[in-house]
Amino acid sequence: GNSVTQMEGPVTLSEEAFLTINCTYTATGYPSLFWYVQYPGEGLQLLLKATKADDKGSNKGFEATYRKETTSFHLEKGSVQVSDSAVYFCALSQGGKLIFGQGTELSVKP
Amino acid sequence: KAGVTQTPRYLIKTRGQQVTLSCSPISGHRSVSWYQQTPGQGLQFLFEYFSETQRNKGNFPGRFSGRQFSNSRSEMNVSTLELGDSALYLCASSPGTGRDEGYTFGSGTRLTVV
Repeated sequence: GNSVTQMEGPVTLSEEAFLTINCTYTATGYPSLFWYVQYPGEGLQLLLKATKADDKGSNKGFEATYRKETTSFHLEKGSVQVSDSAVYFCALSQGGKLIFGQGTELSVKP
Repeated sequence: KAGVTQTPRYLIKTRGQQVTLSCSPISGHRSVSWYQQTPGQGLQFLFEYFSETQRNKGNFPGRFSGRQFSNSRSEMNVSTLELGDSALYLCASSPGTGRDEGYTFGSGTRLTVV
């Protein structure tokens, strides 16, 4: 079946460090791919998306490219801030539902 | 533009009781989905409604049910509550299938079963 695998956390970085959170997926067909972010005590916020191969989603300095050949959608940011501390979820959309990875907790220290 | 509104935010129930959660989607969104979030199982899909019809269903027992009204508002019901039903229940809405637009989530209802 369809599935999403994310790198395990927690990930701890210093402010202004480079961030990569790995995400790979298994799916039939051509799903859309998403990154969501969850701050403590809140729901999920859509961070970025890509709907077809080679699309690059970007938002608030975060980027991810839909790589069909490696079935990956890695999240990157060049310079993280303390305010980026949150849990990040990779997800694919297929058949009217989202399938999520297990989430990666990011902690950014000043 | 108002976001997805879920009520109540917090709920404490006793084993064996039933509970109803409510979700008001973004105006104009016709698709409403429900997800359960727990530390052990992560985020799991419960069901999706579109124009008052259940379009998709996840692998949850029949104690979990839902419905959607003509104004797109949705309710989720859990009967005969078990301790394992304690979770954050998230509602999400989308204009259509969600494939291209993605889904907008509410802040969730935190259900605790004691």
